[in-house]
Amino acid sequence: GAVVSQHPSRVICKSGTSVKIECRSLDFQATTMFWYRQFPKQSLMLMATSNEGSKATYEQGVEKDKFLINHASLTLSTLTVTSAHPEDSSFYICSARVGGSTGELFFGEGSRLTVL
Amino acid sequence: QQQVKQSPQSLIVQKGGISIINCAYENTAFDYFPWYQQFPGKGPALLIAIRPDVSEKKEGRFTISFNKSAKQFSLHIMDSQPGDSATYFCAASKGNDMRFGAGTRLTVKP
Repeated sequence: GAVVSQHPSRVICKSGTSVKIECRSLDFQATTMFWYRQFPKQSLMLMATSNEGSKATYEQGVEKDKFLINHASLTLSTLTVTSAHPEDSSFYICSARVGGSTGELFFGEGSRLTVL
Repeated sequence: QQQVKQSPQSLIVQKGGISIINCAYENTAFDYFPWYQQFPGKGPALLIAIRPDVSEKKEGRFTISFNKSAKQFSLHIMDSQPGDSATYFCAASKGNDMRFGAGTRLTVKP
């Protein structure tokens, strides 16, 4: 079946540093990927839609300069949390659809970011 | 504005019982309704999904019931097992616009 893989699964960094999270579609091509943030015991909050070869579309309230998204190929999207602060600590999850905008949506395993 | 409302927030069921989680949506344009299962520290996994042209879909112990006129859909887990203990999210989407419910934390007691 379709698999979406994220790396790293856990990352701890110091305040002020930048962290990159990778999202890969392993056995299919994804022109669009999605990045979510999830706080403990809460639902998924869509941060941005990543579009291959073009700029990401950010949801209202999400800082574009803080959360940089790059979708350079049909199988890879990256989320870079720049100048991370403790309040950026969260669970970040990516997803991608198989078969275009009407296909099934699969999620990655998630990446737990802890900023000290 | 919460476009998908999910209930209950938490649910405790005895082993072998039926777990029922309900969702209601507002946007009649939604045409895809998946359910996701999430274990702690993991990403959500697609469990089962339905499109509005059918009223019910069953896969093993999991059944989605869909009521288009009421704009409601539900997940039924038959013969619930302790291994089913997880958080369940419903969602509704049209194209790339997908909205999630708030989640239901299911605990199945042995």
